[in-house]
Parts: sequence; structure tokens; C-alpha cells
Amino acid sequence: EDKVVQSPLSLVVHEGDTVTLNCSYEVTNFRSLLWYKQEKKAPTFLFMLTSSGIEKKSGRLSSILDKKELFSILNITATQTGDSAVYLCAENSGGYQKVTFGIGTKLQVIP
Amino acid sequence: KAGVTQTPRYLIKTRGQQVTLSCSPISGHRSVSWYQQTPGQGLQFLFEYFSETQRNKGNFPGRFSGRQFSNSRSEMNVSTLELGDSALYLCASSLGFREDTQYFGPGTRLTVL
Repeated sequence: EDKVVQSPLSLVVHEGDTVTLNCSYEVTNFRSLLWYKQEKKAPTFLFMLTSSGIEKKSGRLSSILDKKELFSILNITATQTGDSAVYLCAENSGGYQKVTFGIGTKLQVIP
Repeated sequence: KAGVTQTPRYLIKTRGQQVTLSCSPISGHRSVSWYQQTPGQGLQFLFEYFSETQRNKGNFPGRFSGRQFSNSRSEMNVSTLELGDSALYLCASSLGFREDTQYFGPGTRLTVL
């Protein structure tokens, strides 16, 4: 059974700090790894990673995938209170849209 | 472009009843997936519909069913509700090709008393 494990489960940081969120996975037929941000209800898409070692960036957020070691990290630099959310990691290995999610990392950024 | 919409947003039911949730995907999207989110289990995949056919299915009992209409709108039905069915039900739409990005709706919060 496919499995996605995220760590830490929760994190409290001060504004301006840099955080690294971890995601490891065990899948039988890896296709892509996904990161989402969930603030209240609807998760919003951040990144899709398919190739090892290629960093994807969007503003202060970046992510990289290591397919050999089966993990990914999400970095957030110069954190802001608006970054407070649950960050979800997921893998798409079931073909098409059958996606397995991790339980999420709850990030709280305090002023 | 309008996003994914779900109705109703909140629902309270009692054990044994059944419920139908609705999801309207982004215009042009043909795939709709349903997820159950609970604090202990996180987001769990229920099923995916593409062109009115169930294409993928998660590990949920047969009480959970769904369908998709020709306009890609989808409904999810849960029969004989149990207390453990209380959760946030999210639907997500995509174009339907492999490794497409999914866009989530705001969810329906179901409470079973």
C-alpha cells in the first residue's frame, strides 16, 4: 500500500525564520510528488515534482525531490504570518488522479 | 474562470440516514475526484470519475458511491450514515490526463449525530 509520511507534524516559528518541511514516500509506481497548502478548507496547489534534483521555486517557497532516497522537502524562507497553514504532501502513483496524501504539517508563524 | 464549487457547504444528519453531496468542476475539466478529510486520517481518496465512468477507487465501503453526469458535475452518496462518517468531504477537478494538477473545492462539512 502506498504511504506518505510528513514531518514534523506541527511547527511554530517566528516571522522571518526559514522552515523545512519533510515528506517521505513509499510507492509502487511513482509518477509525481505534489505539495499543497491548506489554510481553511480547499487545499491550493503549490508544486508538482517529477524529476530528482530539480528545484522548483515560487517566491519564497521552493521544493526538491530525491527519487533515490524517496523524499522531498519544502522550504519557506523569510516566513510571514500568512504562511500559517497545513502543508500537505501527496504522491500520484495510482495512475491518473488516484493521489495518496500525507497527514500534513501544521505550520504556525507568530509575529 | 470559476473554481470548483461544492454544495451544500454544511450538513447535519443522524445515524442511518443517507446524504448526497454535489460538486461542479472547473469548466472544461472532465475528471472529478472525491476525498474524505478527518483529523486522524488526513485526506483519503474515495474515487475518481472521468467522462461519467469511475476510473479509480479507494478503500472505502460500498456505502460510499458516486456518479458523474454528462456535464462533468459529480455527486457523492453515503448511505446508512455512521458517526465515523463525520468529516470534510472535498472534491477536486482536473483535465483528466496523467499528472494533471487537481484543483480543490471548499468542501462539504458533514456532521453525523
